[in-house]
Amino acid sequence: QQQVKQSPQSLIVQKGGISIINCAYENTAFDYFPWYQQFPGKGPALLIAIRPDVSEKKEGRFTISFNKSAKQFSLHIMDSQPGDSATYFCAAGAHGANNLFFGTGTRLTVIP
Amino acid sequence: EAQVTQNPRYLITVTGKKLTVTCSQNMNHEYMSWYRQDPGLGLRQIYYSMNVEVTDKGDVPEGYKVSRKEKRNFPLILESPSPNQTSLYFCASSTRQGRGAFFGQGTRLTVV
Repeated sequence: QQQVKQSPQSLIVQKGGISIINCAYENTAFDYFPWYQQFPGKGPALLIAIRPDVSEKKEGRFTISFNKSAKQFSLHIMDSQPGDSATYFCAAGAHGANNLFFGTGTRLTVIP
Repeated sequence: EAQVTQNPRYLITVTGKKLTVTCSQNMNHEYMSWYRQDPGLGLRQIYYSMNVEVTDKGDVPEGYKVSRKEKRNFPLILESPSPNQTSLYFCASSTRQGRGAFFGQGTRLTVV
């Protein structure tokens, strides 16, 4: 059973547009929600992470929005660029960064 | 340079032939994990280790073994590989404080 549900499976966005990827979870013990970016042939790399005591975290063009009551969180990529084309994974963990449960991934393509 | 190093990057083997995938990190991290990545399933944790000689099962441990004799190394052992273990494997490490996990480059394993 998938502990973290991610959508959409794939996403095509025009350059300069906003990319939005959504994730939902059920386990209320989760207290750490990272997003990972993976380029072909590479391992996932941490992009941004949030803890449930805040509703939003922004780093450059990347923003996590967190809705604790709905048990949902999302990644927004503002001013999307072709270099952002990659697979994005959301994840959740109950004990810091260890023992993470990952979503199934979203393949983002940003077209010029 | 901080890194997690996996070897080999690619491996083709036959059913039943024992193999080991090595993982080494140079960041003095306490936590290390192994994941497998399969299309449509995202990353699933196989085993993790909270410190030397301390290991525990993740989501999909069947058919795998691990050991943690030294802090920097966390090998993944397949005693009798089967075709359903054909996958992309990632090793990851993180600090006790729970900062985001660093992933290796991956090992693509094919069992025929």
